[in-house]
Amino acid sequence: NAGVTQTPKFQVLKTGQSMTLQCAQDMNHNSMYWYRQDPGMGLRLIYYSASEGTTDKGEVPNGYNVSRLNKREFSLRLESAAPSQTSVYFCASSEVGQRDYEQYFGPGTRLTVT
Amino acid sequence: GENVEQHPSTLSVQEGDSAVIKCTYSDSASNYFPWYKQELGKRPQLIIDIRSNVGEKKDQRIAVTLNKTAKHFSLHITETQPEDSAVYFCAASWSGGGADGLTFGKGTHLIIQP
Repeated sequence: NAGVTQTPKFQVLKTGQSMTLQCAQDMNHNSMYWYRQDPGMGLRLIYYSASEGTTDKGEVPNGYNVSRLNKREFSLRLESAAPSQTSVYFCASSEVGQRDYEQYFGPGTRLTVT
Repeated sequence: GENVEQHPSTLSVQEGDSAVIKCTYSDSASNYFPWYKQELGKRPQLIIDIRSNVGEKKDQRIAVTLNKTAKHFSLHITETQPEDSAVYFCAASWSGGGADGLTFGKGTHLIIQP
């Protein structure tokens, strides 16, 4: 049981390049999330998917797109990277239910845009 | 949207003393309040959470209190130990974190002095 996995762990992009961050979970969770973490800013929600087939914007969605490929996988795409997107990106998942509200985080992707 | 304020940003305590971190939130509909601990270079991990129908919850040396009227909640760590040194984040959600994601505070760097 790997929990939440993310690839890649590190990435350096030049301004204007595109890339996709991959996330997968094996806990059969309905909901998945993408956050970014910048120094002194805490974690901020980029996009989320409450269930397979749905996606919604979070607090800071500009410059990003997402795809909920299936129940396990939720990807984040940067179409034209900008230096302001330099950050650590965390994927998370949780179960929409009455018992376990916990969000489980992946190990993160450290992205630098030059 | 929800806004979560967290104080202090840095807290230094002597080993064995207690530490208190406080958060306020803006959306009275929020009903789920988790606390995450993040060690340097690691993912956030849930340490305790509370729902709005409960005023206090305790787990060994860690406790969380919630005042819904005042819209604030606090983390209490007693008998602090060196391994408690980390960054702590509070968060709030109106749907139990299952549908719309979490709004995080900016974090508190807790330093345990030997």
